[in-house]
Amino acid sequence: QVQLVESGGGVVQPGRSLRLSCAASKFTFSGYAMHWVRQAPGKGLEWVACISYDGSKKSYPDSLKGRFIISRDNSKNTLYLEMNTLRSEDTAVYYCAKDRGSSGRNFFDSWGQGTLVAVSS
Amino acid sequence: SRELTQPPSVSVSPGQTASITCSADKLDNSYTSWYQQRPGQSPVVVIYQHNKRPSDIPERFSGSISGNTATLTISGTQTMDEADYYCQAWDSRTNVVFGGGTKLTVL
Repeated sequence: QVQLVESGGGVVQPGRSLRLSCAASKFTFSGYAMHWVRQAPGKGLEWVACISYDGSKKSYPDSLKGRFIISRDNSKNTLYLEMNTLRSEDTAVYYCAKDRGSSGRNFFDSWGQGTLVAVSS
Repeated sequence: SRELTQPPSVSVSPGQTASITCSADKLDNSYTSWYQQRPGQSPVVVIYQHNKRPSDIPERFSGSISGNTATLTISGTQTMDEADYYCQAWDSRTNVVFGGGTKLTVL
């Protein structure tokens, strides 16, 4: 059974940076694209970023491009999300999700439990 | 960018059929998927590629597509199906798009 465990969330002041991690296990991490998806309190799902199986392709919604950076270390089976210049509207539960395929244009077949990021002074 | 429109809420009586729609300006070249999210839990895929069901999802869940509208149908709805449901597709720039979500109430 696929396991995805996020960490790194917490309370952070506006304008600061934070890096989230997602430790993957029980599947061949290097063979699959991965995503970050967030959910603000009481709101719907919002896609944050995608990275291909080998890290060569990355994509973001226009609203986050330039502030958020997705990366991965296949030797450590770990996915990362670096979030810069954080704003109050970035407050959300951040999920990492596994793509069904290697390029990132499939569906999310496994999700982590999420990590809460609260941006507040 | 593509937008996916879902009804905010749907109500159904136990044992009846629930249908949740997901409308877009265009759904060409993009499969739709559906995710169930129970309160306090992470999302789970219940339908992918318009109408395929993961092996661990009950047969009462089905998906269909007609023109630019995808539909999730739950036959013989059970109280355990009460949850938020999200549709998901891709836009022409290979970015992920989610619908706004539908709260399914079983009463």
